[in-house]
Amino acid sequence: NAGVTQTPKFQVLKTGQSMTLQCAQDMNHNSMYWYRQDPGMGLRLIYYSASEGTTDKGEVPNGYNVSRLNKREFSLRLESAAPSQTSVYFCASSARQGLAGGQFFGPGTRLTVL
Amino acid sequence: GESVGLHLPTLSVQEGDNSIINCAYSNSASDYFIWYKQESGKGPQFIIDIRSNMDKRQGQRVTVLLNKTVKHLSLQIAATQPGDSAVYFCAETLTGFQKLVFGTGTRLLVSP
Repeated sequence: NAGVTQTPKFQVLKTGQSMTLQCAQDMNHNSMYWYRQDPGMGLRLIYYSASEGTTDKGEVPNGYNVSRLNKREFSLRLESAAPSQTSVYFCASSARQGLAGGQFFGPGTRLTVL
Repeated sequence: GESVGLHLPTLSVQEGDNSIINCAYSNSASDYFIWYKQESGKGPQFIIDIRSNMDKRQGQRVTVLLNKTVKHLSLQIAATQPGDSAVYFCAETLTGFQKLVFGTGTRLLVSP
């Protein structure tokens, strides 16, 4: 099993450009999450999907949209990138409601917006 | 690799020492807690968890202590090794709730 995979690993955008970050998990998990990680800020939840067909806002959703394409895939879209969105983005998944056993994280996407 | 956190609190220990990493959690209603390890350039990795009906749980070389009175968690690593060098995060949640709240992390540096 590959676990949680993310593409791309690195990306540089200009202000105003759009892009989609891809995430897939092969663990048959119901719940999936998108986080951003900035220096000194820990992990902040952007959006999550408790199950296929549902999405909900997290702590910092502004400037982002998500799509739960199917049980395996959960994408994050930046419609008009801003320098404040320069960050490392992590996708995660979890098996059970209530997060028992924790979340499994992907390797991250390092995004720079110029 | 990039820095996970430029201004993280840092704990420096010698190889073979025991390490204690502390975390103050925010919500007195939280009843499930997790410790994660994040190595440079990688995503966080689950280490150990504990529920609020326990005050101590042990794993392989790691022990988590929970003090609900003062909303405090600690992670103890026995016989710390250079491979333990990483940033460690605590996270809290409420059973049935789909979201984890992460602390800002502590960097552990282990010198040989």
